Amino acid sequence: GAVVSQHPSWVICKSGTSVKIECRSLDFQATTMFWYRQFPKQSLMLMATSNEGSKATYEQGVEKDKFLINHASLTLSTLTVTSAHPEDSSFYICSARDSYTQYFGPGTRLTVL
Amino acid sequence: KQEVTQIPAALSVPEGENLVLNCSFTDSAIYNLQWFRQDPGKGLTSLLLIQSSQREQTSGRLNASLDKSSGRSTLYIAASQPGDSATYLCALHNQAGTALIFGKGTTLSVSS
Repeated sequence: GAVVSQHPSWVICKSGTSVKIECRSLDFQATTMFWYRQFPKQSLMLMATSNEGSKATYEQGVEKDKFLINHASLTLSTLTVTSAHPEDSSFYICSARDSYTQYFGPGTRLTVL
Repeated sequence: KQEVTQIPAALSVPEGENLVLNCSFTDSAIYNLQWFRQDPGKGLTSLLLIQSSQREQTSGRLNASLDKSSGRSTLYIAASQPGDSATYLCALHNQAGTALIFGKGTTLSVSS
């Protein structure tokens, strides 16, 4: 089946620094990728939809200047958390869509100290 | 706005018991519905996908049903095992190509 990878799987950073998370579709081309955030004991909340070669569409309440999304190729999307703060600590999951199905990455655990 | 609700939030059962997890949604005009499993600190494992035109799907000990008119889906787990302990998430697509909308999940604990 289709595989989506994320890197890194976990990251710890200091408050005020920026962190980049990569999401790759390994064996298929993904015209659309989605970024979700999951707080403890909570559901996955959609942050943004990313289409290759165009600007991401952010959900209401998600700061586009804080969560920078780049989808430069059909197999790679990146999420950069800029000037991270402790409240940004969360589990970030990406998913990539082919023509029929949405496939999920294993997630990235971000801890901001 | 579509909302997905899962009841109960947590469930503890002894090994061997059959159980049902519930999912309800507010807008019946869905494209498909999917059940996932999530182990602590891990990503998602897709269990069953039901298209809007289907009534149920089965995989091994798992059976998922869909009743669009009432806005409900159930996940039936037969003969539960300790290895089934995880959080089970219900999610749906409103339209083809859109993002999945998730419920908060049911955390299942199966004791041996």
